[in-house]
Amino acid sequence: DQQVKQNSPSLSVQEGRISILNCDYTNSMFDYFLWYKKYPAEGPTFLISISSIKDKNEDGRFTVFLNKSAKHLSLHIVPSQPGDSAVYFCAASAFRGGSEKLVFGKGMKLTVNP
Amino acid sequence: ETGVTQTPRHLVMGMTNKKSLKCEQHLGHNAMYWYKQSAKKPLELMFVYSLEERVENNSVPSRFSPECPNSSHLFLHLHTLQPEDSALYLCASSQDVGLDYGYTFGSGTRLTVV
Repeated sequence: DQQVKQNSPSLSVQEGRISILNCDYTNSMFDYFLWYKKYPAEGPTFLISISSIKDKNEDGRFTVFLNKSAKHLSLHIVPSQPGDSAVYFCAASAFRGGSEKLVFGKGMKLTVNP
Repeated sequence: ETGVTQTPRHLVMGMTNKKSLKCEQHLGHNAMYWYKQSAKKPLELMFVYSLEERVENNSVPSRFSPECPNSSHLFLHLHTLQPEDSALYLCASSQDVGLDYGYTFGSGTRLTVV
């Protein structure tokens, strides 16, 4: 059973608009959440994270929202740029940044059209 | 479980030891990957196998030796490791190399080199 779910395999948005990527998790022990970005033929690279003590973390055009009661997090990219086109992985950890238990979603492909 | 099984979950080894990490998937995927997750660092792609052939080696030291005897199994043989090799080693699989989504990650092996 998947503990971290990214239910939509792909998303297409216009340049300049907002991209919203969703992620759901089932294990209430998770207390640290990460988003990774992956370009073709490369490994995933860290993008942004959020601790369970927060409900929002912002870094430039990227904002992650956490709804603990719903066990849901989302990544907002605004404004979206063509260079944001990549696969995005949501991951959840049971230890803060320590990756002692790190579970990934299956990924979602974002395409930003010029 | 996610469909990708890694054993052992934890491993402590001395610098002169030889050990192996095992990854197994029965998802019918053709591509398998080894990643390294060090504390507070992004995932690092180590090796990529497609249909049992190694297609990528990201400048990994020779003390790490991968083996893919069939499309369901992937090994990482370790010898004369260094303390800085201590990390979480993640295995992943996907239907094919180059697909942008549908990755399934294992739970990882926490390796400590003493």
